[in-house]
Amino acid sequence: DADVTQTPRNRITKTGKRIMLECSQTKGHDRMYWYRQDPGLGLRLIYYSFDVKDINKGEISDGYSVSRQAQAKFSLSLESAIPNQTALYFCATSDASFNQPQHFGDGTRLSIL
Amino acid sequence: AQKVTQAQTEISVVEKEDVTLDCVYETRDTTYYLFWYKQPPSGELVFLIRRNSFDEQNEISGRYSWNFQKSTSSFNFTITASQVVDSAVYFCALSDDGATNKLIFGTGTLLAVQP
Repeated sequence: DADVTQTPRNRITKTGKRIMLECSQTKGHDRMYWYRQDPGLGLRLIYYSFDVKDINKGEISDGYSVSRQAQAKFSLSLESAIPNQTALYFCATSDASFNQPQHFGDGTRLSIL
Repeated sequence: AQKVTQAQTEISVVEKEDVTLDCVYETRDTTYYLFWYKQPPSGELVFLIRRNSFDEQNEISGRYSWNFQKSTSSFNFTITASQVVDSAVYFCALSDDGATNKLIFGTGTLLAVQP
């Protein structure tokens, strides 16, 4: 089983819909992150969390919200999806030690029509 | 401000050729880490290497090698005797914030290895 699991893997939806992307991990890491990947732009950080009570905005948080339901679960929500949020979304985890590598899920491909 | 530049958008080589992927970074911190990740066509991100700013020794792992030069702020990645399975997008990333482990990614280089 994957250490970092994202659901769904693919989603097509319409403008204005509320969408939730879920991430769960079995690595026991405290730190969790959400990124989006767009062609030609690399990955950009949306939100990150150090524990259930510690949520922080990343580079591009507008239009998104997150929830850390437990150490192992970190969800990303789009309250009212718009077409320019069409992207590949990644969840990642890392150990709290200084600059440990992040471990990524397989990604969620989201298309908003 | 931190920045990672991967100037090569796409590279195409024929199998068995050597290829070098360039990565140039900017940071004001003296302590930082550099990473390379591979994204094969299936889409997942695979961690390849982490290197800290105090260790300028080159690293070799099989056909992969990395050359870190602080003088030119570069952390280049070379694949020797490339294979079709090396076809992927490769990302270089920088982390200079030990409190958050946030990664700053380059825009990636698409490597296509032709048989």
